[in-house]
Amino acid sequence: EPEVTQTPSHQVTQMGQEVILRCVPISNHLYFYWYRQILGQKVEFLVSFYNNEISEKSEIFDDQFSVERPDGSNFTLKIRSTKLEDSAMYFCASSGSGSGSYEQYFGPGTRLTVT
Amino acid sequence: GEDVEQSLFLSVREGDSSVINCTYTDSSSTYLYWYKQEPGAGLQLLTYIFSNMDMKQDQRLTVLLNKKDKHLSLRIADTQTGDSAIYFCAESMMGGGADGLTFGKGTHLIIQP
Repeated sequence: EPEVTQTPSHQVTQMGQEVILRCVPISNHLYFYWYRQILGQKVEFLVSFYNNEISEKSEIFDDQFSVERPDGSNFTLKIRSTKLEDSAMYFCASSGSGSGSYEQYFGPGTRLTVT
Repeated sequence: GEDVEQSLFLSVREGDSSVINCTYTDSSSTYLYWYKQEPGAGLQLLTYIFSNMDMKQDQRLTVLLNKKDKHLSLRIADTQTGDSAIYFCAESMMGGGADGLTFGKGTHLIIQP
């Protein structure tokens, strides 16, 4: 069964460093998403992406964040200058077209630890 | 703004039915979802219901929606040890592509032997 994959599973970085989190969505999906979950808190929507541009973004998704689909398979989230409060689990998700767009499938997540 | 609330823990005996409840605030929510998260894993889509439906059944899972009270429930029949997980309720305004989901904090389902 097709699935969303994410790399790395765990990333440790120092405050102020740039990180890139990588995702491979399900191959025929058209909509891509990033969410994050700070430990003990809710899963929060960050951004959605369709047709090579951002469709929707939350208040969390400020200028420090950017997303890109550099090729036909990868979808990345970049944090330019990480802060301690960026430590969280980051989930990538994708959904298909038509009625399939209602179903968002999530990857296993990347745990980001900022020290 | 949108908000989704769930109780944090539910403990049931193996073989009994589990009922996990969720309330949401936004009356314009179009789609409501249940996701399951096992330890160390991502979020698995279990089922979802459109706001013009009252009930949806899928094998051991039954979703009930009371739109007037903005209340959603997930019933798991014949609960097994493999059902032990965190269950997240989520809602979507538009339901279609590119719409971000708003999640609850999740309910930890604990199965007693």
